Amino acid sequence: SYELTQPPSLSVSPGQTASITCSGDKLGDKFAFWYQQRPGQSPVLVIYQDDKRPSGIPERFSGSNSGNTATLTISETQAMDEAGYYCQAWDSSTTRVFGGGTTLTVL
Amino acid sequence: QLQLQESGPGLVKASETLSLTCTVSGGSVRRSSYFWGWIRQAPGRGLEWIGSIYYSGSTYYNPSLKSRVTISVDISKNQFSLKLSSVTAADTAIYYCARETPTDTYDNNGSITYFFDYWGQGTLVTVSS
Repeated sequence: SYELTQPPSLSVSPGQTASITCSGDKLGDKFAFWYQQRPGQSPVLVIYQDDKRPSGIPERFSGSNSGNTATLTISETQAMDEAGYYCQAWDSSTTRVFGGGTTLTVL
Repeated sequence: QLQLQESGPGLVKASETLSLTCTVSGGSVRRSSYFWGWIRQAPGRGLEWIGSIYYSGSTYYNPSLKSRVTISVDISKNQFSLKLSSVTAADTAIYYCARETPTDTYDNNGSITYFFDYWGQGTLVTVSS
């Protein structure tokens, strides 16, 4: 089965850049999607099709995907960005796969 | 604005069947191009896709749950539902319903894939022994 691997946690200082990685076999040949989940809330889509931002998502959020790694980058990180972040892709058939999630701490 | 709302029992006994319904408002489950999916999250854990259904009734399930999952759609009520049989404590989780939207281009494999753009608030289901 297809697997997506994320670092469990990442810490960043306010105003700095956070880069969250998601690794999977030939992930660059697929589209990567990213979701933000604040504590006690439902997930929210922040990046789709590798690098597109839905309406209402700040420009500070950007994405890239190449080779075996997709990356979610948050520029000028704010306290409100503290959350769990999950990547998602499809395997070779029709199965939707989520990464294990990365907890971003802003301190 | 599209809204999704999960409903169903918050407590299910082990070995029984978990049943949840997702009511869609502000849009139609009958509209083509979209899938409607279920995702769950065990306490303190990550997201796990359970399965998805197209308005026509075509279904896709997580292989790890396939033998126990049934997803159906009721166009007349603008709802879709989840049934998970033979539950155990490991099925205790927050269950989310969500809409899936297709990508607007093909990926490098020549595939159109889908992403979850609208989510319900989630409902906690606890399996008791």
